[in-house]
Amino acid sequence: SQTIHQWPATLVQPVGSPLSLECTVEGTSNPNLYWYRQAAGRGLQLLFYSVGIGQISSEVPQNLSASRPQDRQFILSSKKLLLSDSGFYLCAWSKKGSYNEQFFGPGTRLTVL
Amino acid sequence: GESVGLHLPTLSVQEGDNSIINCAYSNSASDYFIWYKQESGKGPQFIIDIRSNMDKRQGQRVTVLLNKTVKHLSLQIAATQPGDSAVYFCAETLALGANSKLTFGKGITLSVRP
Repeated sequence: SQTIHQWPATLVQPVGSPLSLECTVEGTSNPNLYWYRQAAGRGLQLLFYSVGIGQISSEVPQNLSASRPQDRQFILSSKKLLLSDSGFYLCAWSKKGSYNEQFFGPGTRLTVL
Repeated sequence: GESVGLHLPTLSVQEGDNSIINCAYSNSASDYFIWYKQESGKGPQFIIDIRSNMDKRQGQRVTVLLNKTVKHLSLQIAATQPGDSAVYFCAETLALGANSKLTFGKGITLSVRP
């Protein structure tokens, strides 16, 4: 069966510090991968998605970046965090050709102080 | 702005009653409409989807209705249980292809009273 992992589960970072969130998927190959952000009481905002290694599409201009160094690894990064970067970050995967059903990870709660 | 939205922010229902969660969308070109459930502290979970050429689709205890005339989507949950308490999101997607992605609405909280 497929599983998706995210870490860390929670993170408190000062403004201006760097960020690296990691997501890995097991039990499948060549998945589509996604990063979402969910602000408190809000919906999900798609940040990045990837259809293959090294292929990243950015949805929202911001100080975040994403990379996919391996088939089942997706990394969300920032060089300098802003207060507005606080939120719940979710990684998800889907099968090729099946974009409706996305499988979400447990999420990372990021607080920028 | 977002092309998918929800009418009400919260919905409270009695255990055992049927629940109806509504969603409005604005992009008539969307091919699929999807419902997700998010329990507290967890990632969203796929419930059911419906293609734009359908009006109704049934799952286990859930039914999704699509009214393209008024661009309205609804999720009906039969015999609502405490485990149904969660935030529900509607989403839409365009044609299945390399660049397809979901656009989520803001979400509505379903609270089940015992």
